[in-house]
Amino acid sequence: NAGVTQTPKFRVLKTGQSMTLLCAQDMNHEYMYWYRQDPGMGLRLIHYSVGEGTTAKGEVPDGYNVSRLKKQNFLLGLESAAPSQTSVYFCASGLSHYEQYFGPGTRLTVT
Amino acid sequence: RKEVEQDPGPFNVPEGATVAFNCTYSNSASQSFFWYRQDCRKEPKLLMSVYSSGNEDGRFTAQLNRASQYISLLIRDSKLSDSATYLCVVNPGNNRKLIWGLGTSLAVNP
Repeated sequence: NAGVTQTPKFRVLKTGQSMTLLCAQDMNHEYMYWYRQDPGMGLRLIHYSVGEGTTAKGEVPDGYNVSRLKKQNFLLGLESAAPSQTSVYFCASGLSHYEQYFGPGTRLTVT
Repeated sequence: RKEVEQDPGPFNVPEGATVAFNCTYSNSASQSFFWYRQDCRKEPKLLMSVYSSGNEDGRFTAQLNRASQYISLLIRDSKLSDSATYLCVVNPGNNRKLIWGLGTSLAVNP
């Protein structure tokens, strides 16, 4: 089992560019999440999904969109990147909301 | 008051020491609690779940005090490999999402 994988691991974007982060899990989990982690701010939930075809907003959804077309994949899109979106992005999955398994993270820098 | 509060540390302890961290939470209706471990520049990993009064796993013990609204994590016989940030996470109930603490940093020194 690969667990939770994230692509890419690192990315540098210029302001205004767009990109998609891919999260994949092979544990047949219904629940999937996107978080960002910034120094002094802790983990903040961006969007989440409770099953294929469903998505919901988390704590900091502005500037991001998501899609869950397949159960095993959860995509996070940035339509027009801003320097404030420089962060480490973690994807997680779980059988419930409460015990989550994280991917290795994507380090994004927006210049 | 923050919903979940942790002493950020850092806690510096020698190998073999016993160390304990506390985590306080504000919502008395919170139903379950978790400790995650995060190594530097790595992802968080689930360490322990606490659904009733406590849980024990080897050198690690988590205890819940609902009256005072805190959970603690006790690490006995600390190893160098225990050096990490420990995140306290609270399930507030009512189908709300998890609430993450900012973490407590532990450095175990030789």
